[in-house]
Amino acid sequence: RKEVEQDPGPFNVPEGATVAFNCTYSNSASQSFFWYRQDCRKEPKLLMSVYSSGNEDGRFTAQLNRASQYISLLIRDSKLSDSATYLCVVNEGSSASKIIFGSGTRLSIRP
Amino acid sequence: ETGVTQSPTHLIKTRGQQVTLRCSSQSGHNTVSWYQQALGQGPQFIFQYYREEENGRGNFPPRFSGLQFPNYSSELNVNALELDDSALYLCASSSGQDPTEAFFGQGTRLTVV
Repeated sequence: RKEVEQDPGPFNVPEGATVAFNCTYSNSASQSFFWYRQDCRKEPKLLMSVYSSGNEDGRFTAQLNRASQYISLLIRDSKLSDSATYLCVVNEGSSASKIIFGSGTRLSIRP
Repeated sequence: ETGVTQSPTHLIKTRGQQVTLRCSSQSGHNTVSWYQQALGQGPQFIFQYYREEENGRGNFPPRFSGLQFPNYSSELNVNALELDDSALYLCASSSGQDPTEAFFGQGTRLTVV
């Protein structure tokens, strides 16, 4: 079983739709969680951290479910510019080698 | 722009050759981490350098080596290139271990033929 698993997609949704995807992690002792966005042929960029209480940033909502060991990302009122790959990142410990990236979920927003 | 620059942006090498990739960290950052991202995969941690010393290593063979210089810029060296080394190589600079404070460079796309 992979340490961090994501549905690779692609998710192809119309502009204005709401889309959500999950990421599961295997290490129950994982300490912190993040979503990154990566545009085609570009570097990953931090989208948002994921807090236990859930957090929202504009149209984006991230949630953590420790009992079931997954995090989620919800995008409301999707825009064409949201088309990208979304990487789930799990920090299993206190060193860089413990920062684990998922393989990413591809999202494509159509007009 | 993050202030983290990598060179070259693209590179083609032949199997068996050696390659050196470079990363200039953001001003004020003393830590550089290197990642390998194969097509369709997430970045895989190679190693990290902190104040010129290796500070953690992922599951990569010894032919992957690195350096960090007094100005905190860094190099990634790969010897005896294999076809599977073809990937996007990313460096991320930071001032600590908090991923929210790390910024990636644009990457070097290496193709081994």
